[in-house]
Amino acid sequence: AQSVTQLDSQVPVFEEAPVELRCNYSSSVSVYLFWYVQYPNQGLQLLLKYLSGSTLVKGINGFEAEFNKSQTSFHLRKPSVHISDTAEYFCASGAGGKLIFGQGTELSVKP
Amino acid sequence: AAGVIQSPRHLIKEKRETATLKCYPIPRHDTVYWYQQGPGQDPQFLISFYEKMQSDKGSIPDRFSAQQFSDYHSELNMSSLELGDSALYFCASSLGGPSETQYFGPGTRLLVL
Repeated sequence: AQSVTQLDSQVPVFEEAPVELRCNYSSSVSVYLFWYVQYPNQGLQLLLKYLSGSTLVKGINGFEAEFNKSQTSFHLRKPSVHISDTAEYFCASGAGGKLIFGQGTELSVKP
Repeated sequence: AAGVIQSPRHLIKEKRETATLKCYPIPRHDTVYWYQQGPGQDPQFLISFYEKMQSDKGSIPDRFSAQQFSDYHSELNMSSLELGDSALYFCASSLGGPSETQYFGPGTRLLVL
């Protein structure tokens, strides 16, 4: 069965610092991996996705993620965060048209 | 670009009442998915439809039913509402059958009193 684990429930960071949000997945089949961002009282916005090919995936707003099959990880990174990046971030895996989400990581960017 | 539209955006109901949530997918998208996000929780898959047929089913209570219509919009019907049904309900859509690349609507926030 598929599962997604986000290792940090909260990540506080200062503005312009780098950040990494960690995500591990488990699956017995090939998976597709996603990162979504949810701003307060809003819906889910797709940041980036890994379907196949290059293991380094670039997304919107300066985010990128690296698919690591041996470590079953798909960590999200940004070299320099802004106040506006404060939001909840969800890692998800998908197979067969159904997304399985992790528990979410609350990124809090402080001035 | 047009996005997924959900209505209403907010809904308040009493226990044991019924509620109907509507979802209008991105134009030309033929597949619709419903997710439920409880307070402080991750979204949970409920059900999906492709070409008006149910394509997959998740943890959807028997009190809930859904369908997709000929214009591809979908409705989630919820009966005998319970306090625990209070949640944010997301609809997502995709093109060409069940897909992992789903585009989400803004959600309907349901509060059951």
